[in-house]
Amino acid sequence: EIVLTQSPGTLSLSPGERAPLSCRASQSVSSNYLAWYQQKPGQAPRLLIFGASSRATGIPDRFSGSGSGTDFTLTISRLEPEDFAVYYCQHYGSSPLFGQGTKLEIK
Amino acid sequence: QVQLVQSGAEVKKPGASVKVSCKASGYTFTTHYIHWVRQAPGQGLEWMGVINPTDGGTDYAQEFQGRVTMTRDTSTGTVYMELSSLRSEDTAVYYCARGVPAAIVSYFQYWGQGTLVTVSS
Repeated sequence: EIVLTQSPGTLSLSPGERAPLSCRASQSVSSNYLAWYQQKPGQAPRLLIFGASSRATGIPDRFSGSGSGTDFTLTISRLEPEDFAVYYCQHYGSSPLFGQGTKLEIK
Repeated sequence: QVQLVQSGAEVKKPGASVKVSCKASGYTFTTHYIHWVRQAPGQGLEWMGVINPTDGGTDYAQEFQGRVTMTRDTSTGTVYMELSSLRSEDTAVYYCARGVPAAIVSYFQYWGQGTLVTVSS
């Protein structure tokens, strides 16, 4: 069974900075079936990235996904105030699973 | 536009069952699998299972086998998730989510607003 480990657990940055969020799988992720979601308090998750690097509809281009195999990264190039939230990676295989999340907080 | 609208919050006693609904609109109901994901307070996301609205076929996460039942009503475009033998650890927000057309393996493009289920004596 694949395990997804996200790091860091909490990332403290300022608006305008670049944010790299990591997601590491315990074994290779088939067909790059890796997605990223953003979740704000009291809201449902919002799809950002699928297929490891494809942006979902309406997602600003400051969000980008990269990686393959076991190591994946979500990068936010220049943080906007509305980007401070919790981010989850997901392997959407036959039994979908999520990482434990990275909280992106304002420094 | 695509919408998944869930039923309201529930409070249940330990040992009881809860049934949460998810009404789909804005697309052809039978073309997309519906998944259920839950989130305990302050915790991460946990996949529970998936239903095929076309034939009612299901696949449940091992953790919930024997306790969860997912059904659908094609006449109203509604999917249901029933969880039995509730315990305090089942207190969570339960979400339904939709993927891409005709694919059981999918990321989740659309989500319901969530239903809070509280299990307390």
